[in-house]
Amino acid sequence: DVKVTQSSRYLVKRTGEKVFLECVQDMDHENMFWYRQDPGLGLRLIYFSYDVKMKEKGDIPEGYSVSREKKERFSLILESASTNQTSMYLCASSGGDQSGANVLTFGAGSRLTVL
Amino acid sequence: GQNIDQPTEMTATEGAIVQINCTYQTSGFNGLFWYQQHAGEAPTFLSYNVLDGLEEKGRFSSFLSRSKGYSYLLLKELQMKDSASYLCAVRDSNYQLIWGAGTKLIIKP
Repeated sequence: DVKVTQSSRYLVKRTGEKVFLECVQDMDHENMFWYRQDPGLGLRLIYFSYDVKMKEKGDIPEGYSVSREKKERFSLILESASTNQTSMYLCASSGGDQSGANVLTFGAGSRLTVL
Repeated sequence: GQNIDQPTEMTATEGAIVQINCTYQTSGFNGLFWYQQHAGEAPTFLSYNVLDGLEEKGRFSSFLSRSKGYSYLLLKELQMKDSASYLCAVRDSNYQLIWGAGTKLIIKP
């Protein structure tokens, strides 16, 4: 069964702390994404990556950075957490498929609370 | 700007049929997706439409009209396990996904 695994389901951090959210996929997918999900809003793209060492800003990259040192791993970093970064963070991956859909496979999410 | 509209919440009865609508205004169109998300879980892929018409997959069907910027997800023979949020997303001309806020579907016995 294909999987996207996020290292932490629930985290509680204090304002100003550095936060690492790890995501690993076992499908050999080229593309990986970080989204945040907030009530009443659609998923918002933070960063994405189409290849190792490569990263692209999404719609809301401010306050975040990412790292992709290996194909299977995509990390989201909050250099100095703030209360407005309290959210559900979803990692996803996609690979080429013959339909052209490039369907996203999501991890279970990491719910971050910043106090 | 780009926009995806879908109802916030819908209620239906077990065994019945429900239609969840999605309208969109985007910069270009390269496919429309429906995902299902149970509370506290990951979204999972339901359907993909890139051409006009109806795609049927078991109890679920998805319809697309590109000229009207409109799609719907049709769920038949509703089961309690269908209680979830249903997310509509459109891939734009830059191949980026634009997401609706989701429709929470409540199934009553």
